[in-house]
Amino acid sequence: DAGITQSPRHKVTETGTPVTLRCHQTENHRYMYWYRQDPGHGLRLIHYSYGVKDTDKGEVSDGYSVSRSKTEDFLLTLESATSSQTSVYFCAISAQESGTEAFFGQGTRLTVV
Amino acid sequence: SQQGEEDPQALSIQEGENATMNCSYKTSINNLQWYRQNSGRGLVHLILIRSNEREKHSGRLRVTLDTSKKSSSLLITASRAADTASYFCATGSNYQLIWGAGTKLIIKP
Repeated sequence: DAGITQSPRHKVTETGTPVTLRCHQTENHRYMYWYRQDPGHGLRLIHYSYGVKDTDKGEVSDGYSVSRSKTEDFLLTLESATSSQTSVYFCAISAQESGTEAFFGQGTRLTVV
Repeated sequence: SQQGEEDPQALSIQEGENATMNCSYKTSINNLQWYRQNSGRGLVHLILIRSNEREKHSGRLRVTLDTSKKSSSLLITASRAADTASYFCATGSNYQLIWGAGTKLIIKP
């Protein structure tokens, strides 16, 4: 398995609180992605990074921010969690933009109550 | 927006039978990839087919790509109980992969 770890694996938080999810890789891959997965929607891209301090928005970025201060770490922050952000969040890494396979973490199940 | 759309949404077959899943997409692509997701787990890459390829094999997997019809199919031959999972296609263009909603495959013993 590719060296990619997400933490925490499960979290329950209250509406309005900030939440940070962490993705850590040991593969030295340039590209890192945060997705959310909801029934009937497949995977939707939240934000991605193409290098240290280089990030961009994806399809569903509202209410989320990211940071990448080191190659190996990509943080996803929900600034003020809402119930609509209850989801399973996946981090992925790849060596190239979209021309090679992506490797996924095990996911973080986030529940906002 | 969803690029790839898998068909069928769910498929249940007997162990040993072949399973075929289809994926349609809307815009031009550089490649198309298939992934498997076991319940509660992350996605695992199965196979990548480039836009200039028509067919690719990997073990019991066979993928075809028809760029004129903007469609792809994934065939799993001689299915096993361990093939029970959800299967997703993802189309690669520019900086990201765009995903379909998946086909849920159940292999009955």
